[in-house]
Amino acid sequence: AQRVTQPEKLLSVFKGAPVELKCNYSYSGSPELFWYVQYSRQRLQLLLRHISRESIKGFTADLNKGETSFHLKKPFAQEEDSAMYYCALSGGNTPLVFGKGTRLSVIA
Amino acid sequence: KAGVTQTPRYLIKTRGQQVTLSCSPISGHRSVSWYQQTPGQGLQFLFEYFSETQRNKGNFPGRFSGRQFSNSRSEMNVSTLELGDSALYLCASSAGRALGSYEQYFGPGTRLTVT
Repeated sequence: AQRVTQPEKLLSVFKGAPVELKCNYSYSGSPELFWYVQYSRQRLQLLLRHISRESIKGFTADLNKGETSFHLKKPFAQEEDSAMYYCALSGGNTPLVFGKGTRLSVIA
Repeated sequence: KAGVTQTPRYLIKTRGQQVTLSCSPISGHRSVSWYQQTPGQGLQFLFEYFSETQRNKGNFPGRFSGRQFSNSRSEMNVSTLELGDSALYLCASSAGRALGSYEQYFGPGTRLTVT
């Protein structure tokens, strides 16, 4: 069964500090992993996906198949990064399974 | 391009009633997915439609149903409402045939409160 675990409900960091939002998954095949973000009063939107291997708003995420992880990282947090972050997994032609989300709070 | 729209935005219903929610996808998108979001369970997949056909269904009781029209607009219906159905219902549209592989664009959601 597909499962996504985000162990932290809330993560508070100071502005300028590094950020790492953890995501672990359970899937027997080759997963497609995504990070979605929801800023205050905005819609849920895609932040990045592992297949594109790009950096969006300074965030990167590397798929580690050995550790079944897809942690989201940013070297220097900004106040505008405060939001709810969801890790999601798909088997390609299967629905997205979301983690329960981590609320990131960046303190000035 | 206009985003995904959902109507109504807010709804209050009584236990036992039924409700219909509507979703208009981004123009050209043929895949529409529905999710239920609650504080306890997070985002849970309800079902997905592509070209008027239901391709996938989540683990929800038969009281939850949906359909998609030829213009890709979709509706979901919940019959015999229960208090536990109170949630934010999100609709998402996607351009691709391969469910999950393509970026999903989410609507603002419909907040359903069952009293």
